Amino acid sequence: SYELTQPLSVSVALGQTARITCGGNNIGSKNVHWYQQKPGQAPVLVIYRDSNRPSGIPERFSGSNSGNTATLTISRAQAGDEADYYCQVWDSSAYVFGTGTKVTVL
Amino acid sequence: QVQLVESGGGLVKPGGSLRLSCAASGFTFSDYYMSWIRQAPGKGLEWVSYISSSGSTIYYADSVKGRFTISRDNAKNSLYLQMNSLRAEDTAVYYCARVILQWGDAFDIWGQGTMVTVSS
Repeated sequence: SYELTQPLSVSVALGQTARITCGGNNIGSKNVHWYQQKPGQAPVLVIYRDSNRPSGIPERFSGSNSGNTATLTISRAQAGDEADYYCQVWDSSAYVFGTGTKVTVL
Repeated sequence: QVQLVESGGGLVKPGGSLRLSCAASGFTFSDYYMSWIRQAPGKGLEWVSYISSSGSTIYYADSVKGRFTISRDNAKNSLYLQMNSLRAEDTAVYYCARVILQWGDAFDIWGQGTMVTVSS
């Protein structure tokens, strides 16, 4: 089965840029989506189809996808961006989520 | 507004059954594929099942195949998950989510979740 690997944690200074990677075999050929989940809350879609932002998601969130790695970038990080982030793809009649990354804003 | 509200969670003994419901509002439910996703305490997200808008296409994760059944009633704007032969490892918050095919099968709307605890 398809696997998506994310770093366990990423730390970023307030106002700086955080990059969260999502590794998978030839992931560049798939649509990658990213979700933000804060404690006790349901996940929220922040990026769909590699690099598109749903309405209401700040421009500070951006995404890219190529080769074996997809990346979620959070620019000008704010305290409110502290959360768990998950990547997700559709593969062989199944949805697959990444292992999740905890983002800490210092 | 667009909303999904799950219900039906609770405490059940191993081997028992439970039926979850998800009530949709604020959009044309019958136009959308839907899915169940779960999250064990302190763990990541795990996809459980998916159903097409008409109910004609259904997929399950290997971990629940043969034990769980997804269904929908478009007249009642409702999604269901019948869970049988429950195991301790099925303990999780269960979310229903709307699938946006045009967005490459992203989940754009999630419910608040319902907790299922399997324990003797």
